[in-house]
Amino acid sequence: DVKVTQSSRYLVKRTGEKVFLECVQDMDHENMFWYRQDPGLGLRLIYFSYDVKMKEKGDIPEGYSVSREKKERFSLILESASTNQTSMYLCASFRQGLSYTFGSGTRLTVV
Amino acid sequence: SQQGEEDPQALSIQEGENATMNCSYKTSINNLQWYRQNSGRGLVHLILIRSNEREKHSGRLRVTLDTSKKSSSLLITASRAADTASYFCAPPLQTGANNLFFGTGTRLTVIP
Repeated sequence: DVKVTQSSRYLVKRTGEKVFLECVQDMDHENMFWYRQDPGLGLRLIYFSYDVKMKEKGDIPEGYSVSREKKERFSLILESASTNQTSMYLCASFRQGLSYTFGSGTRLTVV
Repeated sequence: SQQGEEDPQALSIQEGENATMNCSYKTSINNLQWYRQNSGRGLVHLILIRSNEREKHSGRLRVTLDTSKKSSSLLITASRAADTASYFCAPPLQTGANNLFFGTGTRLTVIP
């Protein structure tokens, strides 16, 4: 069964910490995405990547960076976590012409 | 204004009833997808309907697409408590794009 795996289901971090959210897919998909989801705001795109070492800003990239050194792995980095980054983070991947496959999500709390 | 919007935002029905959720979008599309999200989990793909299709079925799901009105609907027949979830339509972000737009979804509650 094909999968998108997010490394943590729940995370609690302190303000100012550097936070890494990892996402791995086993489907050889070119495209990978990071979203955050907050009540009443839907899914907002943070960053996406079309290929290894390529990245594009989404709608809300401020305070985040990403890394895609290998095709299967797309990492989201919070350089200095802040309380307003408390959210559900969702990773997804897809190959052109197919549907998105999402991970189970990481609920991050910044205290 | 957004590329896609679901209506209603929330829907509560009794088990066994049908649930209808609507979606409107703004640009021309090649296809439109519907996803489901259980509380606190990731989204799961339900069905894809192409622009040359008016209706598509998958089990208890029926999706319609009216490209002239730029609208789609998802019907769940004979609902079950396990259908309780949020449902999202996902049109392409813009004409010709591969990336999808996800809105706020319709929160469906099926009461046993």
